[in-house]
Amino acid sequence: QVQLVQSGAEVKKSGASVKVSCKASGYMFIGYYLYWVRQAPGQGLEWMGHLNPRSGDTNHAQSFQDRLTQTRDTSLNMAYMQLSGLRSDDTAVYYCARGKTDCLSGICYTYFDLWGQGTLVTVSS
Amino acid sequence: SSEVTQDPAVSVALGQTVRITCQGDSLRSYYASWYQQKPGLAPQLVIFGKNGRPSGIPDRFSGSNSYKTSSLIITGTQAEDEAVYYCNSRDSSGNPLFGGGTQLTV
Repeated sequence: QVQLVQSGAEVKKSGASVKVSCKASGYMFIGYYLYWVRQAPGQGLEWMGHLNPRSGDTNHAQSFQDRLTQTRDTSLNMAYMQLSGLRSDDTAVYYCARGKTDCLSGICYTYFDLWGQGTLVTVSS
Repeated sequence: SSEVTQDPAVSVALGQTVRITCQGDSLRSYYASWYQQKPGLAPQLVIFGKNGRPSGIPDRFSGSNSYKTSSLIITGTQAEDEAVYYCNSRDSSGNPLFGGGTQLTV
């Protein structure tokens, strides 16, 4: 069925890197942008970045500067999010989400219609 | 400014109608989407575009848009609607921007 399945929980030390995977199934992987959103404990949702699986082009929030790397393997229908230089405030649940863009009356808008189950990343000192 | 604001908490009596709002300059020319999140689960899309509902979302959920405000309306609220609701718009660079979330208590 149509789904995104993420890799399992991770525990990392401060300064280390983590790589989270997101496997797409049931739809054309290269047809939709793939977004990464995180949620710190008890907090709201934060957009981190997104990836065009067809071209490999990425965009990311300035707050992550050069710590965030987004890649994909189209042969496996997999997307990856690597966050380096981990700090305690990177402890969060990380989600991948499929983005769809529609246009109506000249206004184009994006929404996230499919989400992975989330991956808890815990950063300890 | 590049932000969208939501009331932190709203309460509604069982069976009544509730409106959850999202305000921001970006909403003058953008359709927000709305997500329901229950504890321990991933967010789920409930409203997108002008007033679109994904398959499987009950028709008691609807959306409306006016100037700088997007609203999620739940008519005949059920106990299972208790959740945190997030709106999503875009920032000045065109990137996704989430509101802070509204805890709905039924």
